[in-house]
Amino acid sequence: EIVLTQSPGTLSLSPGERATLSCRASQTVSNTYLAWYQQKPGQAPRLLIYGASSRATGIPDRFSGSGSGTDFTLTISSLEPEDFAVYYCQQYDSSPLTFGGGTKVEVK
Amino acid sequence: EVQLVESGGGLVQPGGSLRLSCAVSGFTFSNHLVDWVRQAPGKGLEWVGRLRKRAFSYVTEYAASVEGRFTISRDESKNSLYLQMNSLKTEDTAVYYCTRDAGATGYWGQGTLVTVSS
Repeated sequence: EIVLTQSPGTLSLSPGERATLSCRASQTVSNTYLAWYQQKPGQAPRLLIYGASSRATGIPDRFSGSGSGTDFTLTISSLEPEDFAVYYCQQYDSSPLTFGGGTKVEVK
Repeated sequence: EVQLVESGGGLVQPGGSLRLSCAVSGFTFSNHLVDWVRQAPGKGLEWVGRLRKRAFSYVTEYAASVEGRFTISRDESKNSLYLQMNSLKTEDTAVYYCTRDAGATGYWGQGTLVTVSS
């Protein structure tokens, strides 16, 4: 099973600031089968990034993903008020699917 | 339009059973992988199990935490997937989501809440 570790657990930032979220895998995620999700209270996860760096349909270009192998990053270039939420990484390279523990981006 | 709609959640006592449904539209199980994912209150996302597509003989797989207690089945005539949950434990309390293509195409249902409590 691929274990995903996200850091930091909480990120306290102000609107307009840059957010950098990390996801580290316990073993190589082949084919960059790594996704990032945003989740707000009471809502289903919303896909932001798939294939480590491809933006999902309708996702603003302030969201970008990078990385390969075991180290992946989600960057939000300039935080908008609606971006304060919890973010999860997920690998879909191998079964079982696994998710990181999440990073909460909160208003400073 | 692709849609997944879960139903069947509710309150059940420990040791009890419940069957969740995932009604899909805009695609068929024969061509797409479907997973169940759950989220306990205030916690992260946890994979529960999956139904592989026809090319993989509709094989089902389960997380260790539910193996032997949960069963995934399908009814293609109703375009529905089911999660039969037996011997429920308090730690099974969660919102249960179904999602297509391991989530990586962005298609998730809205979730259904299962509460296991006496």
